[in-house]
Amino acid sequence: AQSVTQLDSHVSVSEGTPVLLRCNYSSSYSPSLFWYVQHPNKGLQLLLKYTSAATLVKGINGFEAEFKKSETSFHLTKPSAHMSDAAEYFCVVSDRKAAGNKLTFGGGTRVLVKP
Amino acid sequence: KAGVTQTPRYLIKTRGQQVTLSCSPISGHRSVSWYQQTPGQGLQFLFEYFSETQRNKGNFPGRFSGRQFSNSRSEMNVSTLELGDSALYLCASSRGLAGVSSYNEQFFGPGTRLTVL
Repeated sequence: AQSVTQLDSHVSVSEGTPVLLRCNYSSSYSPSLFWYVQHPNKGLQLLLKYTSAATLVKGINGFEAEFKKSETSFHLTKPSAHMSDAAEYFCVVSDRKAAGNKLTFGGGTRVLVKP
Repeated sequence: KAGVTQTPRYLIKTRGQQVTLSCSPISGHRSVSWYQQTPGQGLQFLFEYFSETQRNKGNFPGRFSGRQFSNSRSEMNVSTLELGDSALYLCASSRGLAGVSSYNEQFFGPGTRLTVL
């Protein structure tokens, strides 16, 4: 079985300051890990993905995440927050060796960006 | 390339009724997955269809069902609606290629917001 824990349900940052969203996962198999973002009344957009290549993954809009197997973590960071980053972020895990697609989502972290 | 489309976008039903939601995947994508999003339970996997066959299933009661057509379009049906079925239902499509270490990026539609009164 696989699971994802997002350690913060809400994060508040000032514009121009760094953002850190924390994620820990549990997986019995070789995991693929993702971060998705959901803006209000919109669908989910993929920010970045880890699929066993480089452990430091760069995504869109300046986001990056580092896969740390020893810590079972996949934290998301951005050096400088922008107002448009206000949204809900989901850390997601799937079993890379399984046929098909079954994503397991974390509970989400809602990011507020203050001017 | 057109994205994933879902119809209708909003739906209001009453308890006991049934509802059918539709999802059209990105052209060339053969896998369609469905997810339920609620404030209390978050995002939960319902099921996945690939080449008209259910390939994966989440932990939802039998009132939730789906199907996929030969053109990869998918529908999900919820019978005997309950208040707790009020949610945003998201559909995602991917190429669906199977195999060890395969990876399929899933592209999400905007969702159908179902309200059960």
